[in-house]
Amino acid sequence: KNEVEQSPQNLTAQEGEFITINCSYSVGISALHWLQQHPGGGIVSLFMLSSGKKKHGRLIATINIQEKHSSLHITASHPRDSAVYICAVISMEYGNKLVFGAGTILRVKS
Amino acid sequence: NAGVTQTPKFQVLKTGQSMTLQCAQDMNHEYMSWYRQDPGMGLRLIHYSVGAGITDQGEVPNGYNVSRSTTEDFPLRLLSAAPSQTSVYFCASRRTASSYEQYFGPGTRLTVT
Repeated sequence: KNEVEQSPQNLTAQEGEFITINCSYSVGISALHWLQQHPGGGIVSLFMLSSGKKKHGRLIATINIQEKHSSLHITASHPRDSAVYICAVISMEYGNKLVFGAGTILRVKS
Repeated sequence: NAGVTQTPKFQVLKTGQSMTLQCAQDMNHEYMSWYRQDPGMGLRLIHYSVGAGITDQGEVPNGYNVSRSTTEDFPLRLLSAAPSQTSVYFCASRRTASSYEQYFGPGTRLTVT
């Protein structure tokens, strides 16, 4: 079983839709990252969370430490949001190493 | 700051060839790491370093060597390339092992034929 599970694996949305990507983890964590990767591109950090909620523009990330769950929300989605979104946790059980989910492939159609 | 830089961006190797993927950071970060990214799988840790002169194995170290002679540089060596090493490789750094903010390089796409 993977320590970090993301859902859905693939997501197609219409421009303007509200999008939610979920991340569940089974290890103790120091922090959680949401990362974005455009096709053929590098990895960009969107958020780092250890509690609560963060907002940046149309992106919102939340984390529930007790339930070991995080969500990434995109409001008013746009085709430029099409990318792979990756959840990664800094795992206390693995000496503060990053453990990655497999990623969610998002396509937003115009 | 240039952040984390990687060279080359693309590379094609024949089976059995060796090569070095370069990684450098100019943020004076102690902690550096190499990952590989394969379709349908999360990034997996190959090797990491908590400071100059100190390296350790990650999840998938076989077939790769690293060294850390300076704080800035963390090269990854493929000793005898195999098709199974076809992947995208990312170098990353953070200030210390207990820091949370992670910075990624742009990646190297390697194909082994």
